[in-house]
Amino acid sequence: GIQVEQSPPDLILQEGANSTLRCNFSDSVNNLQWFHQNPWGQLINLFYIPSGTKQNGRLSATTVATERYSLLYISSSQTTDSGVYFCAVNDYKLSFGAGTTVTVRA
Amino acid sequence: DSGVTQTPKHLITATGQRVTLRCSPRSGDLSVYWYQQSLDQGLQFLIQYYNGEERAKGNILERFSAQQFPDLHSELNLSSLELGDSALYFCASSASEEETQYFGPGTRLLVL
Repeated sequence: GIQVEQSPPDLILQEGANSTLRCNFSDSVNNLQWFHQNPWGQLINLFYIPSGTKQNGRLSATTVATERYSLLYISSSQTTDSGVYFCAVNDYKLSFGAGTTVTVRA
Repeated sequence: DSGVTQTPKHLITATGQRVTLRCSPRSGDLSVYWYQQSLDQGLQFLIQYYNGEERAKGNILERFSAQQFPDLHSELNLSSLELGDSALYFCASSASEEETQYFGPGTRLLVL
């Protein structure tokens, strides 16, 4: 199956800082999704982004499908951004990376 | 709110028992997926149904089974439960296999 690697595994940020999370995948995919899992365990859709760039508020994502990677940018981080960020690629099922645990300190 | 509902939210049971987890997909979505999230295995795909038919299987144990009913809701049956089955079980739905999957809130299963 497709291998998905996320980096870094952990990230500690001061409130207001910017950060970049990376997702590498081993093969061509139909699409790619980014999720945020909050401290209560809910998986929240952030982006559906098979290619190109999308923005949603302080978050944006870029996928370069030909080079098999995607980036998630968090700008002006807030404590509510804390949680685990997952990248998942779709080859008719979602294959998830191990996640990046983000802690934003006030 | 993703529009996907799952019941129950929490389940505590004993080893050897059988439980049923229920999922209602978003209105109009024909595909339903089940995933398991455990501390040691991460998020793993279990099984997919499309309009009542099984379409794909992942790392699903033989003790686990699922089905999708004519009204498109789905149930995941877990039997002969073991301590290692303790996990968060998610259901997701999508309009088609290529489109965005939306996740329900999950069922947290604890096997004692």
